[in-house]
Amino acid sequence: NAGVTQTPKFQVLKTGQSMTLQCAQDMNHNSMYWYRQDPGMGLRLIYYSASEGTTDKGEVPNGYNVSRLNKREFSLRLESAAPSQTSVYFCASSWTADSNQPQHFGDGTRLSIL
Amino acid sequence: AQKVTQAQTEISVVEKEDVTLDCVYETRDTTYYLFWYKQPPSGELVFLIRRNSFDEQNEISGRYSWNFQKSTSSFNFTITASQVVDSAVYFCALLSNAGNNRKLIWGLGTSLAVNP
Repeated sequence: NAGVTQTPKFQVLKTGQSMTLQCAQDMNHNSMYWYRQDPGMGLRLIYYSASEGTTDKGEVPNGYNVSRLNKREFSLRLESAAPSQTSVYFCASSWTADSNQPQHFGDGTRLSIL
Repeated sequence: AQKVTQAQTEISVVEKEDVTLDCVYETRDTTYYLFWYKQPPSGELVFLIRRNSFDEQNEISGRYSWNFQKSTSSFNFTITASQVVDSAVYFCALLSNAGNNRKLIWGLGTSLAVNP
């Protein structure tokens, strides 16, 4: 049971390069999320998709775009990477966006922007 | 405003000690949910427990127990007879059911080191 799968696990980019982080879940969840985790800042929501075909901004959306490709996949794109985007990125999914549903997380993508 | 405070940044204990991780939350909503997640050194985030605001019963799962007290807005997590494998960062999170703002508010985490 794979759960939430993120690719790649590690990536180094140069400033200005673009990149797409991939996320797929096999739990038939409706809702998916992208977070970034930084030391001293905790987890911050970048974007989320309550259901297939919808996306909404989270706390820190600037510099990112997302695509809910289908029910299983939710990708995060950095159009022009900046050093401030160096972080660990987590994708998560849940049955719905309702409050009582726990989110299940992928293993994270460690992204460094030089 | 909604907020989660985990005042203990780091805790270090010796194996077999009991340890309590504190979580204090702020919300004006009457319906909300509280969560605990574990992040071991390998980096993944693991869901531990969910509690809704109408259920103040304490919960025990093996060596883990949770004490939810609305009167003090706290949802503390106790590990009994800690083990080295419990070493991780533990996050408390709050989610309100109010309106469309259904986003998890995370605490900054408590790093627990259990030493042999």
